[in-house]
Amino acid sequence: EVQLVQSGADVKKPGESLRISCQGSGYNFNNSFITWVRQVPGKGLEWMGRIDPSDSSTNYSPSFQGHVTILVDKSINTAYLQWSSLKPSDIAIYYCARQSAVAGLDVWGQGTSVTVSS
Amino acid sequence: DIQMTQSPSSLSASVGDRVTITCRASQSITRWLAWYQQKPGKAPKLLIYKASILESGVPSRFSGSGSGTEFTLTISSLQPDDFATYYCQQYNRYSLYSFGQGTKLEI
Repeated sequence: EVQLVQSGADVKKPGESLRISCQGSGYNFNNSFITWVRQVPGKGLEWMGRIDPSDSSTNYSPSFQGHVTILVDKSINTAYLQWSSLKPSDIAIYYCARQSAVAGLDVWGQGTSVTVSS
Repeated sequence: DIQMTQSPSSLSASVGDRVTITCRASQSITRWLAWYQQKPGKAPKLLIYKASILESGVPSRFSGSGSGTEFTLTISSLQPDDFATYYCQQYNRYSLYSFGQGTKLEI
């Protein structure tokens, strides 16, 4: 079964760092980009950026460039979304998804809830 | 960047109704358009890709059409399980990707 499994919910204080993960299984992880999507509570989906596991190249939405970093460790089929300094505005559910060359985002992780509160 | 505009933002309908949701791109994306369904507390689910190709396992009452800048998602006969929020997404390989703002389909 093709699946993406994300790390569990996290609660952090403003200014703290955080890295959440997304592990793929059931397919050749190197062959498909991994995309990260943000959903603020009660709001829509926002495309954050993507990474090519084969060469670690990345693209970011201008809205997120410089505030998050997308990484990959292809030896363990895992992509990461990382913050160096969280803000209360980062409160959201974050989804990873497999980007098919033809079919868009065809496999999704279950989502990771991030809470930022002092 | 390519902007995606969905309409309506919300829609009230009844079981058995035919409904159509529209998505417009700020520039041509040929047919690089996907539709997703999201239910509360769940991850989005791919319904349609390349504007009109039904993802495996998706009921045939869902259909998509369009090309260039204007696209539609049609549900031919609403079922109770279809009440959810629907998003379009452009995935033009020569640009960064983006979603529409969503359409909430309510009873």
